[in-house]
Amino acid sequence: GEEVAQTPKHLVRGEGQKAKLYCAPIKGHSYVFWYQQVLKNEFKFLISFQNENVFDETGMPKERFSAKCLPNSPCSLEIQATKLEDSAVYFCASSQSGFSGNTIYFGEGSWLTVV
Amino acid sequence: DQQVKQNSPSLSVQEGRISILNCDYTNSMFDYFLWYKKYPAEGPTFLISISSIKDKNEDGRFTVFLNKSAKHLSLHIVPSQPGDSAVYFCAAAPPGTYKYIFGTGTRLKVLA
Repeated sequence: GEEVAQTPKHLVRGEGQKAKLYCAPIKGHSYVFWYQQVLKNEFKFLISFQNENVFDETGMPKERFSAKCLPNSPCSLEIQATKLEDSAVYFCASSQSGFSGNTIYFGEGSWLTVV
Repeated sequence: DQQVKQNSPSLSVQEGRISILNCDYTNSMFDYFLWYKKYPAEGPTFLISISSIKDKNEDGRFTVFLNKSAKHLSLHIVPSQPGDSAVYFCAAAPPGTYKYIFGTGTRLKVLA
C-alpha cells in the first residue's frame, strides 16, 4: 500500500495479558521499525527489520517483548504479560533503505492501554 | 542522556509570521536530520530533511538550517498558517544506522 498500516488503532489489556500489534509497511519498503511513545512525546526506538531479518534490536526489552516480520504477512510486535508501564502508543515505520539518508515513514500508531 | 534536544516545549506565532523551531544535538557523528510534524492521534508526518554535508535545505514554506559547529538545527516556516499548528519533532541518526533519535517535540500554535 501507499502508507504504513497499523492495527489495531486502540487496544486495552488487563495487566498480565498478552498484546499483539500489527504493521504492514509501504509496498516496496524493505525496512520496518517499531517505536514506543510513552509520555512527554519521547519516542523510544525498539527494533528494526530488514525484510524478515532483525536489523537492530538494541531497544527491545527482551523479557516480554518480541517482534517478527514474516514473508507475505504483516509485521507484528507482541508483549507477553503486559505491565502498566507498557501503556503507550506504538508506532511502526518503514523505509526503502536501512541507512541514514533515507526517510522513514510512520503509521498512525496503535494505542495500548494496560489497566 | 538526551542526545537530541528541543528545549522549547511550545511556541505561539501569529499567522503570516515566521515560525522558528530549534533543535540541538550532542553527537557530532550524526549525519542526517529529519523534521516531522505530528497532529494529535496521528502518526508523525515527514516534513523535510538535511544531510550533514549541507547547511540549508528548502521545500516550499519550510527551510531547515544546519550549523554543525554549534550542533544546532532549526526549522523555519514562512509564512506560518493555522494548519501548521502541531507538534514538531527533530530526529537524527549516526551514519550506518537507522536508529533515529527523536527530540521531545515543540508544540507550535499559529494564531489566526
